[in-house]
Amino acid sequence: EAQVTQNPRYLITVTGKKLTVTCSQNMNHEYMSWYRQDPGLGLRQIYYSMNVEVTDKGDVPEGYKVSRKEKRNFPLILESPSPNQTSLYFCASQPGRANTEAFFGQGTRLTVV
Amino acid sequence: AQKVTQAQTEISVVEKEDVTLDCVYETRDTTYYLFWYKQPPSGELVFLIRRNSFDEQNEISGRYSWNFQKSTSSFNFTITASQVVDSAVYFCALSGFTGGGNKLTFGTGTQLKVEL
Repeated sequence: EAQVTQNPRYLITVTGKKLTVTCSQNMNHEYMSWYRQDPGLGLRQIYYSMNVEVTDKGDVPEGYKVSRKEKRNFPLILESPSPNQTSLYFCASQPGRANTEAFFGQGTRLTVV
Repeated sequence: AQKVTQAQTEISVVEKEDVTLDCVYETRDTTYYLFWYKQPPSGELVFLIRRNSFDEQNEISGRYSWNFQKSTSSFNFTITASQVVDSAVYFCALSGFTGGGNKLTFGTGTQLKVEL
């Protein structure tokens, strides 16, 4: 079954404690990205990757890092989380050609206290 | 810059009523794509439709229909004979050639509540 898998689904952490949210896809897609969803703001892109070792900033990259060492994995790293990063996070995967439908993971609800 | 506006924050209807969700977009790209996604209470994002800027034909899929009007930069979504299972947040989104050609710019969403 084609899917995008994120872990964990829920996470409560404290300010400053580094964390990683994992994302894996089994569709051999070139393009992967991370979005955050906040009330009244919709979803906003944090980072994207067009292929292995190729990453770039989206609209709201501050406070986040990503890496793309393998095609299937695209982890999101928060080196020093702060309360304003409390949000619902989605990983998305798309084929390399432009303007395609995005396949989303189940979401990770992160709370930073 | 790209922008998607969903002016309706929340809509409540009674089951079997028809309901239209509005979406207005802005882009400088001459080629672009429009999408609708559904987010049920369980939280996942479900793809509903993708339409390119050269195809202005309306589309119907069961109880769902979409009206794309380039002249007014709108891509509205109508649910006919709504059902309780249609209760969800609906997002309209746009992609062009920024962000590697696959970045989705989302609207703020419309919460649809369908009551018995």
